[in-house]
Amino acid sequence: KAGVTQTPRYLIKTRGQQVTLSCSPISGHRSVSWYQQTPGQGLQFLFEYFSETQRNKGNFPGRFSGRQFSNSRSEMNVSTLELGDSALYLCASSSQGPTPEQFFGPGTRLTVL
Amino acid sequence: GENVEQHPSTLSVQEGDSAVIKCTYSDSASNYFPWYKQELGKRPQLIIDIRSNVGEKKDQRIAVTLNKTAKHFSLHITETQPEDSAVYFCAASKTNFGNEKLTFGTGTRLTIIP
Repeated sequence: KAGVTQTPRYLIKTRGQQVTLSCSPISGHRSVSWYQQTPGQGLQFLFEYFSETQRNKGNFPGRFSGRQFSNSRSEMNVSTLELGDSALYLCASSSQGPTPEQFFGPGTRLTVL
Repeated sequence: GENVEQHPSTLSVQEGDSAVIKCTYSDSASNYFPWYKQELGKRPQLIIDIRSNVGEKKDQRIAVTLNKTAKHFSLHITETQPEDSAVYFCAASKTNFGNEKLTFGTGTRLTIIP
């Protein structure tokens, strides 16, 4: 099976702009989670989607939003970008069932200037 | 919410020796504890995990132990090799057939000295 893919891999934006990141999960996986990774804060949970519904949400401002499509692909959007939003954004997918392993994509490196 | 603490933040080990990384969690309802390895510039890779109904799990040179009473779990790497050098993250989660939300520790940078 193909792994989790994310596009784009790199993005450079300026403050105030908005950005959309995309994640395609492993075939058959219906849960997609998003994480922000920074050197100072580590890996922080943003939100999780399952069957097009947001099931869990982390402690991020409303500028961070997401959605999931019927084919389980997910997008996250960050509006009104701030310098502190510069980070590696990782998505992870997992299957339904008793084994909850999450598999990560390669991430999107976002730089806000 | 859940809080996961991880120690040490850096660890240097002579090649062939063992390495141990420890994590504690706060939420007694957490029932799933994975460990991820992240090499420089790469994605986190799941290397081993343990559920709350198991006290220990091994996979070749890697083992994880869980003490539910004390709310801590540890990663043990034996016979370390240069390719074990990476950042290791522990995590905790309350899962109910896919209710996914991982809370990560702050990571341990492991360096294997040849």
